[in-house]
Amino acid sequence: ETGVTQTPRHLVMGMTNKKSLKCEQHLGHNAMYWYKQSAKKPLELMFVYNFKEQTENNSVPSRFSPECPNSSHLFLHLHTLQPEDSALYLCASSQGTGLYTFGSGTRLTVV
Amino acid sequence: AQSVTQPDIHITVSEGASLELRCNYSYGATPYLFWYVQSPGQGLQLLLKYFSGDTLVQGIKGFEAEFKRSQSSFNLRKPSVHWSDAAEYFCAVGELSGGSNYKLTFGKGTLLTVNP
Repeated sequence: ETGVTQTPRHLVMGMTNKKSLKCEQHLGHNAMYWYKQSAKKPLELMFVYNFKEQTENNSVPSRFSPECPNSSHLFLHLHTLQPEDSALYLCASSQGTGLYTFGSGTRLTVV
Repeated sequence: AQSVTQPDIHITVSEGASLELRCNYSYGATPYLFWYVQSPGQGLQLLLKYFSGDTLVQGIKGFEAEFKRSQSSFNLRKPSVHWSDAAEYFCAVGELSGGSNYKLTFGKGTLLTVNP
């Protein structure tokens, strides 16, 4: 167990569906992140939250909507996705040092 | 903006052989540098980091990396590779974000295959 838990591990959704990814950490970290990992591309930073406040949105399409109700939980709400959004979505947390703890990711397939 | 280049997409070595994975970065200030490893179906795990001081840093699992400012490089090395080292390796550079946290920019990764 890495300390950062992501659910579900796998998700298949249609382009008209609405689903949510969940990330939870109990490491006492103040920052949480969403990254997208696609084949043959670098990890792409999507969102950064620091003490529940969004500090970075890396030009992510509005069909991805993050939510951070507290420092321990982070969600990524998905709606009307495209097939090219299929990827591994990784959540991470840190305590301000760049030393990230990653979850195992959610493998998303959009059909 | 910072960037990271890992020139080798895939490397194959024999078990027991030495390993060097290359990483070059572009960053205006003194960089915070990291190496992470990812096993199949898993998230990324931190191997080692460089913040300041000694340019040769030691990490977990017998890995080390050397920061060379003149070459903008942070290459990862291991003297003797084990079959369990087969994984994908990511180099990253950190930049302050939101005033008090570091956001990481990653390279594309190098896939390591270990032959018996």
